[in-house]
Amino acid sequence: QAHLQEWGEGVLKPSETLSLTCEIYGGSFSGYYWTWLRQPPGKSLEWIVDINDSGISKSNPSLRSRVTISVGPSQNQLFLTLRDVTATDAGLYYCARGRIYHDAWYFDVWGRGIVVSVSS
Amino acid sequence: SYVLTQPPSISVAPGQTARITCGGDNIGSKSVHWYQRRPGQAPVLVVYDDNQRPSGIPERIFGYNSGTTATLAISRVEAGDEADYYCQVWDKSSDHPVVFGGGAKLTVL
Repeated sequence: QAHLQEWGEGVLKPSETLSLTCEIYGGSFSGYYWTWLRQPPGKSLEWIVDINDSGISKSNPSLRSRVTISVGPSQNQLFLTLRDVTATDAGLYYCARGRIYHDAWYFDVWGRGIVVSVSS
Repeated sequence: SYVLTQPPSISVAPGQTARITCGGDNIGSKSVHWYQRRPGQAPVLVVYDDNQRPSGIPERIFGYNSGTTATLAISRVEAGDEADYYCQVWDKSSDHPVVFGGGAKLTVL
């Protein structure tokens, strides 16, 4: 069974760049959509960006101009970069494994999440 | 984009059945998934595709979906079920295809 663990610098100042890593332990990289999500304080979960095993990525339109997702060469690391952060980017960030099953897309494995704060 | 509406909170006594709803326009035509998140823990998929349970999820947790409401039901509720529950759908034709409900906090009295 796969296990995911996020890590990175979680304290930022406005205009800085958020860089997070998700370690992927166990399971196969192929056949899934590897995804970053977040939850701002007091709000619900929000999809940020995902990437499949062909390297094709899709992102939330509201974040598209600032976000990049990539995969490490051994396919056991997932990276997130979010440029020019503001206070609205603060929250709990998750990586998750997405599956497409018939006409459904859901997340069957999640990391515990990492808290990101943005303050001057 | 597509909107999913959940009650912010629900309270149930131990041993009773909790029903957590997720409302959306013609949601019965979509596939709904449910996640449980206990404090400080990773979210766990408890139901996918309306009513399918991943391995390891007990039979007393089940889902159904029709019309404008999807429901996650938990029978014989116990203290360990206290958590936040989120519904999610895939709005395939949208530029913002992954949609979550606002989440419902289940409190076991």
